[in-house]
Amino acid sequence: DTGVSQDPRHKITKRGQNVTFRCDPISEHNRLYWYRQTLGQGPEFLTYFQNEAQLEKSRLLSDRFSAERPKGSFSTLEIQRTEQGDSAMYLCASRQSSSYNSPLHFGNGTRLTVT
Amino acid sequence: GENVEQHPSTLSVQEGDSAVIKCTYSDSASNYFPWYKQELGKGPQLIIDIRSNVGEKKDQRIAVTLNKTAKHFSLHITETQPEDSAVYFCADSGGSNYKLTFGKGTLLTVNP
Repeated sequence: DTGVSQDPRHKITKRGQNVTFRCDPISEHNRLYWYRQTLGQGPEFLTYFQNEAQLEKSRLLSDRFSAERPKGSFSTLEIQRTEQGDSAMYLCASRQSSSYNSPLHFGNGTRLTVT
Repeated sequence: GENVEQHPSTLSVQEGDSAVIKCTYSDSASNYFPWYKQELGKGPQLIIDIRSNVGEKKDQRIAVTLNKTAKHFSLHITETQPEDSAVYFCADSGGSNYKLTFGKGTLLTVNP
């Protein structure tokens, strides 16, 4: 199965620590998206890349958050000085923008718990 | 999209019955409307989608209808099975770039 892969699946950290998550999209997909999902809610858009370029960031993405996709393949999402409010599921998704009917495929997420 | 309202928040049906989930949206530029199924501990999985140039789309037991004038779209699942039990999310694209805006989800329980 060559779906979207995220690592780690779970992360528990103490408030104030930095954390980094990794996403490997489907190999031929040039667009990569990060979403955040809190309990009982739908996913919320954070940011997206086309190849290595970060094209848009949501206002939800505070300056403690940074995302990169250095070679246009995998992406990392870093959260600095974590707060309890950062506890959520972080979802990565990808698609191929050149294909009109290419839908958004999600990974199984990284669940972050900040204690 | 700007805002997506989804109803009901919970739905319980007997196996074999139909289930209908409804969503409304506000962004007139929205032209793509996917539905995702999310099981516990997993990411959302696309089950069906529809574009604004189509009024209805069907895939086996699942169908989606779209009314652009009224800005609402619905998911219909027929002959429900226990394995259909999950949280279902509607979403809209807001017109471009697949920056999906999701509804709050519907917890569907299919009782055997």
